Amino acid sequence: GQNIDQPTEMTATEGAIVQINCTYQTSGFNGLFWYQQHAGEAPTFLSYNVLDGLEEKGRFSSFLSRSKGYSYLLLKELQMKDSASYLCAVGAGSYQLTFGKGTKLSVIP
Amino acid sequence: DAGITQSPRYKITETGRQVTLMCHQTWSHSYMFWYRQDLGHGLRLIYYSAAADITDKGEVPDGYVVSRSKTENFPLTLESATRSQTSVYFCASSSGNLEETQYFGPGTRLLVL
Repeated sequence: GQNIDQPTEMTATEGAIVQINCTYQTSGFNGLFWYQQHAGEAPTFLSYNVLDGLEEKGRFSSFLSRSKGYSYLLLKELQMKDSASYLCAVGAGSYQLTFGKGTKLSVIP
Repeated sequence: DAGITQSPRYKITETGRQVTLMCHQTWSHSYMFWYRQDLGHGLRLIYYSAAADITDKGEVPDGYVVSRSKTENFPLTLESATRSQTSVYFCASSSGNLEETQYFGPGTRLLVL
């Protein structure tokens, strides 16, 4: 079976750094994806990790530890526009993705 | 050239009616997917397709039917709508390369009365 856990909600201050954690237990692993979803909109791709370690893309970084079934998304220099839900998804067989329930991030001034 | 589009964007229907949600992509992606998104559940896969005329069930397929006669289209039909099918439906497509993400359409908000 597939089980993906991430916190339901988080709040952080503009300009700060926030880390959103994701733990997973899945049968099969083809990689871990992070998506951003603003309210009322479609999810958009942020990052992909298939090997252990840190991937950096501007203000966003994503980390993966396959042995621990753990990933995190790190957002630096938070901006108000970063207020959104962040979805962790694990790729398994047949190119399917299994999504966590998402973490709603609120950035406050 | 919007990439991946869905229609209608909003739909209100009544229980027992048949409803078809359309999805069209212009990238010639092999893979297409239908998800529903509900509070407390996140995105759940309904059906997916690896190519024209190849479809398979996802996590929550009951009450839904799909077809894929052309690579670019992947309609989702609710044969007899129920209130529990009130949801936001997202279509997505992917080239099938593992490192390639799925690209999502704008979604269809369906209300079943």
